[in-house]
Amino acid sequence: AQSVTQPDIHITVSEGASLELRCNYSYGATPYLFWYVQSPGQGLQLLLKYFSGDTLVQGIKGFEAEFKRSQSSFNLRKPSVHWSDAAEYFCAVGGRTNKLIFGTGTLLAVQP
Amino acid sequence: KAGVTQTPRYLIKTRGQQVTLSCSPISGHRSVSWYQQTPGQGLQFLFEYFSETQRNKGNFPGRFSGRQFSNSRSEMNVSTLELGDSALYLCASSLEGPGDTQYFGPGTRLTVL
Repeated sequence: AQSVTQPDIHITVSEGASLELRCNYSYGATPYLFWYVQSPGQGLQLLLKYFSGDTLVQGIKGFEAEFKRSQSSFNLRKPSVHWSDAAEYFCAVGGRTNKLIFGTGTLLAVQP
Repeated sequence: KAGVTQTPRYLIKTRGQQVTLSCSPISGHRSVSWYQQTPGQGLQFLFEYFSETQRNKGNFPGRFSGRQFSNSRSEMNVSTLELGDSALYLCASSLEGPGDTQYFGPGTRLTVL
């Protein structure tokens, strides 16, 4: 079955600290992988995506993610977190259709 | 370029009523997908429309339906509303196929009383 697991429901980091959000997927074919961010009361904004090629993907706002096929993972990283990064982060997988399967999300809190 | 717009932003309905939500995609985008977001079930795919035809469908009952017009604008309809239909309904548009990025609108918050 196709699924996405985000094992961390809630993470708190200090401003300026590094961040890594975990994402594991189960997908039968070669996946397309995405990270979206959602601020309260807002829609989803795409941070980055992986379709093929270089397994280290750069996104907006200083985020990057690494696709590791052997581990079925697509973890999101940022070297230095800013207070404005506080939001909910969703990992998603897609394939040969436009249907995206989302993880349950990780809520990020940033301490001053 | 204007982003994806959804109207209305907020709706309050009572059980048994029906509701229609609207989505205007980014200019030039031909695919529109709908998602339901709830605290309990998370983000779930409802359906996708492309060139006025439903191209993909999620696992929702027949009370949930949609359509797409020739200008790519899309509507979704929920009939015989239930309390569990209270959710944020998100619309996403993309150029055509799965290789294209989906851009999400701000959503319509539906509350069923």
